[in-house]
Amino acid sequence: AQKITQTQPGMFVQEKEAVTLDCTYDTSDQSYGLFWYKQPSSGEMIFLIYQGSYDEQNATEGRYSLNFQKARKSANLVISASQLGDSAMYFCAMRERYSSASKIIFGSGTRLSIRP
Amino acid sequence: EAGVAQSPRYKIIEKRQSVAFWCNPISGHATLYWYQQILGQGPKLLIQFQNNGVVDDSQLPKDRFSAERLKGVDSTLKIQPAKLEDSAVYLCASSFRDRGEMNTEAFFGQGTRLTVV
Repeated sequence: AQKITQTQPGMFVQEKEAVTLDCTYDTSDQSYGLFWYKQPSSGEMIFLIYQGSYDEQNATEGRYSLNFQKARKSANLVISASQLGDSAMYFCAMRERYSSASKIIFGSGTRLSIRP
Repeated sequence: EAGVAQSPRYKIIEKRQSVAFWCNPISGHATLYWYQQILGQGPKLLIQFQNNGVVDDSQLPKDRFSAERLKGVDSTLKIQPAKLEDSAVYLCASSFRDRGEMNTEAFFGQGTRLTVV
């Protein structure tokens, strides 16, 4: 079963508009972490934002915020005032316990294209 | 601070040949990951090391893939023999020692793009 689901394969947004990228997850653990990464065409994965399962406040990092709805198991990324440089693949990921350690698993990604 | 280093950046080989990728993690990072990213998909974890011990290799095709992390620093991922479906970007990542905290982010290298023809 899919652990991380990103239902939007691609999105087009006008520059300066806000955009929401959807992510739902599946886990039976109480303790887990949620991440968003950006992957530009150059290929590197860039960490954007983190939300812990026990965090009561939604995480924010500059223009990025995470809309965390624990009961619905969703962790949507909101980018405010989008810029041309935001065009990239965006991946939602979850760190969950595995045996005595933990591991990070990724969703299938959303390709975001910003129109000038 | 130097990031995760990977080499080579690109590799083209014929099927049934062998290939090796190298990764040098961020200094002090005890956990090292190898991910396979097929075009249009998210990264898939192949193997995870804690120091020089394997934590998880459940998705590593062990009949053809092998990985090692001697001395708990650099790591090498090998494919022998390669198949067409191994064409992908191989990403190496590292993070601080896994003590069970969920907020430990992984830092990624630029990846090696493998094309098998």
